[in-house]
Amino acid sequence: AQKITQTQPGMFVQEKEAVTLDCTYDTSDQSYGLFWYKQPSSGEMIFLIYQGSYDEQNATEGRYSLNFQKARKSANLVISASQLGDSAMYFCAMRAPRNTGNQFYFGTGTSLTVIP
Amino acid sequence: DTGVSQDPRHKITKRGQNVTFRCDPISEHNRLYWYRQTLGQGPEFLTYFQNEAQLEKSRLLSDRFSAERPKGSFSTLEIQRTEQGDSAMYLCASSLTGQGAGGSYEQYFGPGTRLTVT
Repeated sequence: AQKITQTQPGMFVQEKEAVTLDCTYDTSDQSYGLFWYKQPSSGEMIFLIYQGSYDEQNATEGRYSLNFQKARKSANLVISASQLGDSAMYFCAMRAPRNTGNQFYFGTGTSLTVIP
Repeated sequence: DTGVSQDPRHKITKRGQNVTFRCDPISEHNRLYWYRQTLGQGPEFLTYFQNEAQLEKSRLLSDRFSAERPKGSFSTLEIQRTEQGDSAMYLCASSLTGQGAGGSYEQYFGPGTRLTVT
């Protein structure tokens, strides 16, 4: 069963603008973690941000913030003030130990292109 | 550099041959994961170690695949009798055991080994 859904195969954003990348998840576990990773064309996966299911506040890391809506089971990534170096694939992932064991489930990704 | 390293970075092999990949995690990390990533897809979980114990294996990990982490440090992933469908990027990641929701800290990934089976 699909655990993580990313519905935007590709997104474009103007440099210096903000962009939201969508992620919805499916779990019956009460304790889970949500992660976003960036994968540039070089191939290496770079951790961006983490949100725990019990966290009441949305996670923020510099220009990255996670819009966590628990009731809707969504964990959208917001990138503010986009830069050309933000052009990459972005993956949402989830770990829900009671439901899925120790696996991390990744979505199919969103390709972000920042336009100068 | 204290990140996750993988060797080799690229491997081209003929169908039917055996291949072995190595992963060196971040030294203090007790958890190690192997993933496979094909073009246009996110990483797919293959297997997971906590210290030297292999605790989980995906159904994707057929009996041609075997992974070890003998001393709880580096890990090897071997594919026997390779098939063209095994062509993919093989990613290794490591993490600490976390106390927060989801029970794990973030994973740190290596650069991957790109396997091409001809």
